Amino acid sequence: QVHLQESGPGLVKPSETLYVSCTVSGGSISRYYWSWIRQPPGKGPEWIGFVYYTGTTNYNPAVEDRVSILIDAPKNQFSLRLASVTHADSAVYYCATGPVFGVGSEATWGQGTLVTVSS
Amino acid sequence: DIQMTQSPSSLSASVGDRVTITCQASQSVRKYLNWYQQKIGEAPEVLVHGATNLETGVPSRFSGSGFGTDFTLTITSLQPEDAATYYCQQYDNFPLTFGGGTKVEI
Repeated sequence: QVHLQESGPGLVKPSETLYVSCTVSGGSISRYYWSWIRQPPGKGPEWIGFVYYTGTTNYNPAVEDRVSILIDAPKNQFSLRLASVTHADSAVYYCATGPVFGVGSEATWGQGTLVTVSS
Repeated sequence: DIQMTQSPSSLSASVGDRVTITCQASQSVRKYLNWYQQKIGEAPEVLVHGATNLETGVPSRFSGSGFGTDFTLTITSLQPEDAATYYCQQYDNFPLTFGGGTKVEI
């Protein structure tokens, strides 16, 4: 059973770049989709995007000009980079993987990491 | 983007009650609709995929129905452990989008 663990900075200043990584254990990163989803406090989830194990990406247009999702196969990790953050980017960030865009049936989610954007 | 509208936003019901949550898409998503349960402090977990297919291990008191723009999640006999927020999510078109959630209180 694959296990995912997010690692993030906790606090990021406005206009800076947010980096969150997801470490994969118990399974190979060379299959399926690897997604990032975020959830602002008290709100519903928002899909950020995914990277397919081949390296193909698909991003939410709401953040497409600021985001990149990369796979680091040797480290069995994938990562999220979000530039020029604002308070609206404060959220719990989840990584997830599965055969259907990394969400839905047979998907595995991490426990999430809270990121607060504040000066 | 496809907008997903859930109703009600919250409800209170008793153990043993039948509970129905609806989700309406702003355009057809065919059968490509997931339902999730999220408990406080936890990640969402999928209950139903493909609008009507129960995820492995999910109790049979949960069921999903619908096609196109109108979907329903039904809990036939509410249990204390079902207290949670429920979300629908479409995966027919990018970007994938979620509903606003329905909070179920026991």
